[in-house]
Amino acid sequence: EADIYQTPRYLVIGTGKKITLECSQTMGHDKMYWYQQDPGMELHLIHYSYGVNSTEKGDLSSESTVSRIRTEHFPLTLESARPSHTSQYLCASSEREVAKNIQYFGAGTRLSVL
Amino acid sequence: GNSVTQMEGPVTLSEEAFLTINCTYTATGYPSLFWYVQYPGEGLQLLLKATKADDKGSNKGFEATYRKETTSFHLEKGSVQVSDSAVYFCALTLKAAGNKLTFGGGTRVLVKP
Repeated sequence: EADIYQTPRYLVIGTGKKITLECSQTMGHDKMYWYQQDPGMELHLIHYSYGVNSTEKGDLSSESTVSRIRTEHFPLTLESARPSHTSQYLCASSEREVAKNIQYFGAGTRLSVL
Repeated sequence: GNSVTQMEGPVTLSEEAFLTINCTYTATGYPSLFWYVQYPGEGLQLLLKATKADDKGSNKGFEATYRKETTSFHLEKGSVQVSDSAVYFCALTLKAAGNKLTFGGGTRVLVKP
């Protein structure tokens, strides 16, 4: 059973607002990831982290930023939300060892920017 | 680069029908292969995995065999249930890429009673 939590589950917000999507895991995993899932279902990696104070941009360019101050916490921030940011955002984590390469996913945050 | 191609959906079936979802991959090296499932309103869950050629992953009646010669990892289930309605993602990861997953586009499956 995966223990990775995302809040809020749903968020409707106006253009220009600053938002933070929360992601926390209680498994002690070093590696964490953010994916953006478009309405066509395709998943795109937008950020990842291999540990505290480590953050990298993913394959899809994103205006969002992330931080990793604590192992268990990997929040994603949009400084000024726009309608083009409307999407589902999925957080995931995995163990450090490549051999244990299973990613565990949160339930997602569905963001709508009006 | 690395990529995963899976059949487009939606796939609509009757209960107890046989399900196959095709997945092929392109990778530099020897990837590990995965099937993830996303039930409505939820995140992704690992369904099964295979880490080397000829390995068979299985779970909840689903099976997939890692075929290096055809670079494929097709998902099969002999008798589907309504509860199998979900989106299925094929994915790969490479040691050289750490744990970063490369996903296919997803296949929506709808099982009707």
